[in-house]
Amino acid sequence: QSALTQPASVSGSPGQSITISCTGTTSDIGNYNYVSWYQQHPGKAPKLLLYDVTKRPSGVSIRFSGSKSGNTASLTISGLQAEDEADYYCSSYTGSSLWVFGGGTKLTVV
Amino acid sequence: EVKLLESGGGLVQPGQSLRLSCAASGFTFSDHGMSWVRQAPGKGLEWVSAILGGGGSTHHASSLEGRFTISRDNSKNTLYLQMDNLRPEDTGVYFCARCSGRSCLWSWFDPWGQGTLVTVSS
Repeated sequence: QSALTQPASVSGSPGQSITISCTGTTSDIGNYNYVSWYQQHPGKAPKLLLYDVTKRPSGVSIRFSGSKSGNTASLTISGLQAEDEADYYCSSYTGSSLWVFGGGTKLTVV
Repeated sequence: EVKLLESGGGLVQPGQSLRLSCAASGFTFSDHGMSWVRQAPGKGLEWVSAILGGGGSTHHASSLEGRFTISRDNSKNTLYLQMDNLRPEDTGVYFCARCSGRSCLWSWFDPWGQGTLVTVSS
């Protein structure tokens, strides 16, 4: 099972919105609505941001939102803040191979 | 507060074995499936293994070629990962993570422990 495809890096200015894409196949993202997103600051554990494509856990800012179209899921961060600078990973259930992650996207807030 | 604390990492030579532990607290351990996810230095996340809340049913990434075994002791609220015949490419930080329900199928991972570093080198 190959990793999901994410852009290596994205950047934005404070207050702007950015979108990170996550492209899979009909075996994972395209076939299941079990996509989750994680935020990881350097040297820290990943933190759940979204699950089931669009759902936010309690405590996660409404600035984080998710969507899916076909084989591609997307994470949008609105009103960028300095503390949003981190690595972001998508993940999808794949059925037989169970779980696959994206390669990660480094977000820089300039 | 839900907490997960990994231990057992270290430096080992290729071909050797290591057992990782993950001590859980703050929730009913047997009500949740658990997983291990690893991260090679400077690389992305890779799902490794998962186990049902009650134990018994386990899943492993096919890339491991049967070298790793996940298990749990619900009486001790502890998750384990037995890693045999270790290779240099197994080097990385190993995180334990709680699944949302009794099974990790169709689940998400929350929260994660802080990780334990495994280094395989001669």
